Amino acid sequence: KQEVTQIPAALSVPEGENLVLNCSFTDSAIYNLQWFRQDPGKGLTSLLLIQSSQREQTSGRLNASLDKSSGRSTLYIAASQPGDSATYLCAVWHTGFQKLVFGTGTRLLVSP
Amino acid sequence: NAGVMQNPRHLVRRRGQEARLRCSPMKGHSHVYWYRQLPEEGLKFMVYLQKENIIDESGMPKERFSAEFPKEGPSILRIQQVVRGDSAAYFCASSPPLAGGNNEQFFGPGTRLTVL
Repeated sequence: KQEVTQIPAALSVPEGENLVLNCSFTDSAIYNLQWFRQDPGKGLTSLLLIQSSQREQTSGRLNASLDKSSGRSTLYIAASQPGDSATYLCAVWHTGFQKLVFGTGTRLLVSP
Repeated sequence: NAGVMQNPRHLVRRRGQEARLRCSPMKGHSHVYWYRQLPEEGLKFMVYLQKENIIDESGMPKERFSAEFPKEGPSILRIQQVVRGDSAAYFCASSPPLAGGNNEQFFGPGTRLTVL
C-alpha cells in the first residue's frame, strides 16, 4: 500500500527565506509525482509535475526534485513571499493504480 | 479550453437528504476521478470512471455513495441519506486517455458539502 508523508506539518518563516518542503513515499513504483498548492477553502493549484524518469522540475522560484529509489521528493521555494502562504500537497501516481495518493500537506506561513 | 468544472460550489443539506455533485471534465478528457477531503485531512481517492464505466471504486464507502459518468453529460457523485460525517470538500479531476505514464490529473474547484 502506497503511503505518502510530508514533513514538516507546519512551517513559519520570515519573508525572503529560502525553504524546503519534504515528501516521502513508501513504494517507488510510481508514474509521476505532483506538487500542489491549496489556499484555505479553495481548490488545488498544480505547481510542478515530475515524471518518474525525471530528476527535477523548475518553475520560477520553485524547484522540485525526485529521488524515486529512496522514495523522496523536495520542493524548494526561493526568496519566499507572504503570497506563498498556503498548504502544499504532494501526491504520487502509483503504478498500476489509476489514482493519486496524497500526503497530508505542509501548512506554510510566510510573515512580512 | 475550459478547465474541470464542478457544481454546485457549495451545497447545504439536512441529514437524510440526498446530495448530487456534478463534474464536467476538460474537453477531450475521458477519465474522471473523485476525491474527498475531510476537515483537516488530506485528499482521499474515492472512484475512477471512464465513460459509462466504473473502473475503480475502491475508495467509495460501501453504502449511500454512488457515481456515474454517462455517455452524455457530466459525471455525478450521489450521496443518499447524508449524515454529518459526509461534510467535506469533494474534488473532481480529469485526465486524457492514459498512455505511457505521461499523464496528469487536472482538478476542479471542488464542491463543499455541509450537512446540518
